[in-house]
Amino acid sequence: EDQVTQSPEALRLQEGESSSLNCSYTVSGLRGLFWYRQDPGKGPEFLFTLYSAGEEKEKERLKATLTKKESFLHITAPKPEDSATYLCAVQGGNTPLVFGKGTRLSVIA
Amino acid sequence: DTGVSQDPRHKITKRGQNVTFRCDPISEHNRLYWYRQTLGQGPEFLTYFQNEAQLEKSRLLSDRFSAERPKGSFSTLEIQRTEQGDSAMYLCASSSPRTTENTIYFGEGSWLTVV
Repeated sequence: EDQVTQSPEALRLQEGESSSLNCSYTVSGLRGLFWYRQDPGKGPEFLFTLYSAGEEKEKERLKATLTKKESFLHITAPKPEDSATYLCAVQGGNTPLVFGKGTRLSVIA
Repeated sequence: DTGVSQDPRHKITKRGQNVTFRCDPISEHNRLYWYRQTLGQGPEFLTYFQNEAQLEKSRLLSDRFSAERPKGSFSTLEIQRTEQGDSAMYLCASSSPRTTENTIYFGEGSWLTVV
């Protein structure tokens, strides 16, 4: 059974204080690892898809990396508007996405 | 591209009543998914359509839940005889038929409160 564990559950950063969020996973035949951002009361917003170990993708202050067992979402010099819940999900074979519980990020000015 | 559209955004209903949610996927996306999310949890898969065919249902989808996708376009999710435990956000998502692009895009969700 595909599983995703995200850590930490919650993270509080000062503005400009860089950090990383972790997503550990087990999956049969990885088709993709996905990162989403979710604001309170809204649906998940797509950020990145990673397909194979060693792959990296960047978008503004965010950079996602992938190994065979985990993915990291690095946040460089965060701003208060980066505050949100970040969700990690995996897709294996023809199965639907399996999500972790998310990391709640708060960036304080 | 207008994104995935869900209606209504919020619904408050009394226990025992039936509710129906509608989802309009991104145009040309042939795959459509329903997920459920409760506070502090990630989305949980409920069911999946490819065109009009319902290909997979989670064991979370009790007999009170039914989903349809007539003509492979919009989809509806009906919950009969609602219970307080059904209170959650119901998320619809869609993805492209292109095998090189399997990203799933979500709508804004439909909040259900059962009182």
